[in-house]
Amino acid sequence: EDQVTQSPEALRLQEGESSSLNCSYTVSGLRGLFWYRQDPGKGPEFLFTLYSAGEEKEKERLKATLTKKESFLHITAPKPEDSATYLCAFRDDKIIFGKGTRLHILP
Amino acid sequence: SQTIHQWPATLVQPVGSPLSLECTVEGTSNPNLYWYRQAAGRGLQLLFYSVGIGQISSEVPQNLSASRPQDRQFILSSKKLLLSDSGFYLCAWSKTSGPAFFGQGTRLTVV
Repeated sequence: EDQVTQSPEALRLQEGESSSLNCSYTVSGLRGLFWYRQDPGKGPEFLFTLYSAGEEKEKERLKATLTKKESFLHITAPKPEDSATYLCAFRDDKIIFGKGTRLHILP
Repeated sequence: SQTIHQWPATLVQPVGSPLSLECTVEGTSNPNLYWYRQAAGRGLQLLFYSVGIGQISSEVPQNLSASRPQDRQFILSSKKLLLSDSGFYLCAWSKTSGPAFFGQGTRLTVV
């Protein structure tokens, strides 16, 4: 069965303390892996698409990478406004989401 | 540019009452459309998706149904709500490939 697992479930960091979020997946034919940011009470906001192993995408303090079995969202020198839930998802003929990582950045 | 509209933003309904949530997309044609539900502190559970008018795939057996009467309109319905139907409902669209883009969601509380 195709599935995606995110870890950790929650992460608390001090402002400026870099870290990585993990998304591992098992899917027979990956047609795209996506990262989203979700703020409380709002719909997820699209961040990145990755299609093949070795691919990397960057946006401000975030960088997403992809291997054959997992993806990482690296957060460099985070700020309190980076606090949110980060979701990853993969596509086969539909789009399936992981349960997310709740990130809290302490000032 | 494409936009997605979902309403209402919040809804409080009694147990046993009907439900109708509507979602429309502008600025694109023949989108894939999705309904997800998110329980408090949980991930997004795919409920229904549609690749075209009248084509609905159900992912989770339950007392909800979906319809797509027009190319860019997706409706989530129930004849009789249960307490367990409470949650945050999200509509999304995508192209045949690529990511999904979400509406702002509907917070449903069944009392």
